[in-house]
Amino acid sequence: ETGVTQTPRHLVMGMTNKKSLKCEQHLGHNAMYWYKQSAKKPLELMFVYSLEERVENNSVPSRFSPECPNSSHLFLHLHTLQPEDSALYLCASSQDRGTGSDTQYFGPGTRLTVL
Amino acid sequence: GQNIDQPTEMTATEGAIVQINCTYQTSGFNGLFWYQQHAGEAPTFLSYNVLDGLEEKGRFSSFLSRSKGYSYLLLKELQMKDSASYLCAVKDGDYKLSFGAGTTVTVRA
Repeated sequence: ETGVTQTPRHLVMGMTNKKSLKCEQHLGHNAMYWYKQSAKKPLELMFVYSLEERVENNSVPSRFSPECPNSSHLFLHLHTLQPEDSALYLCASSQDRGTGSDTQYFGPGTRLTVL
Repeated sequence: GQNIDQPTEMTATEGAIVQINCTYQTSGFNGLFWYQQHAGEAPTFLSYNVLDGLEEKGRFSSFLSRSKGYSYLLLKELQMKDSASYLCAVKDGDYKLSFGAGTTVTVRA
């Protein structure tokens, strides 16, 4: 238990559906992250929020839309996804101390399957 | 771009030592992390190196050579529960972690 929770743990959706992934951190951190982990590929950083402000956006398609209403919650809104978007989506948080040693703590992920 | 290489798989016997190498070429360097990830679970933090040398934490040690763009994670006295994927990640800037594809370690009895 890392103090970062994600719901749902598993999600199956059609290409025309709209769904949202939720992440909550109980660590008092100020930065939150979304990563994509595809089979046999490295984790890819998607978005970073610091104090509810987006600070990184790594060329992610617009069908993925993040939302950070406060420093404890992070959402990833999904619409008109493609089958190649099927992956494990991981949320992480960090204190945001502005140093290299600022460690990211991960949630268990949402396993997404797009049919 | 970022390039982080580590072996895909390694197998070792319970009680043995395994060394997982990681080489990197990145546009920036603000430290190197190792994470452990069991199947279906969250990656968990193992170590952080920013200066050259060896950091020891119980059965796990991590080494960094910035001039060579090289790190290794050393697992000693292997236990069955150490069977997992080990992820090497380089921090580039304040937030961005660039990951290798991970090394799957299988510990056999």
